[in-house]
Amino acid sequence: SAVISQKPSRDICQRGTSLTIQCQVDSQVTMMFWYRQQPGQSLTLIATANQGSEATYESGFVIDKFPISRPNLTFSTLTVSNMSPEDSSIYLCSVEDNHRAPEAFFGQGTRLTVV
Amino acid sequence: DAKTTQPNSMESNEEEPVHLPCNHSTISGTDYIHWYRQLPSQGPEYVIHGLTSNVNNRMASLAIAEDRKSSTLILHRATLRDAAVYYCILTEEDSSYKLIFGSGTRLLVRP
Repeated sequence: SAVISQKPSRDICQRGTSLTIQCQVDSQVTMMFWYRQQPGQSLTLIATANQGSEATYESGFVIDKFPISRPNLTFSTLTVSNMSPEDSSIYLCSVEDNHRAPEAFFGQGTRLTVV
Repeated sequence: DAKTTQPNSMESNEEEPVHLPCNHSTISGTDYIHWYRQLPSQGPEYVIHGLTSNVNNRMASLAIAEDRKSSTLILHRATLRDAAVYYCILTEEDSSYKLIFGSGTRLLVRP
């Protein structure tokens, strides 16, 4: 099964700053997904990131706020820009594993607190 | 995306079976039913999925109603480690990795 490493695992940031979250997978995957989980809530899909193309954002999420990079088949970054306290959440990346279809694998998440 | 409805919470005793229900009355003929669970402080993990027939794996069983408007995740012997939020999710065949999470059911397991 795919093993996902997310960095940082947690961070406390000042409002108005930006944080870039990294997602590294131990195998090549076509699709990577970014989710947000606000405190006490369920997960919400932010965007789908395919290698070689622009990310596809879900309703309510925009590229200027959550720019995503996908430089190769094992790595992606999500940036949370111009942060406010409302951005305090857990951010998770997810990937598919063709050998275990249709099972999706999730990272442990990045716990972000904006003060 | 078709919507699912689950109870907010359920309780079970350790080593007893647990039946977690999910209603999906607007499911389409090609929607798959997936179950994921999220243990405390972890990302979600896959449990089981099915289309029309009941399914069994080492973690659980999935019972799908004949009209497919509801399904039930069955944990045969709950352990303390099974305490988690369980999510029932519908996906289209070609986007099974793009998961739209509902509110899920929080399962409490009593020792």
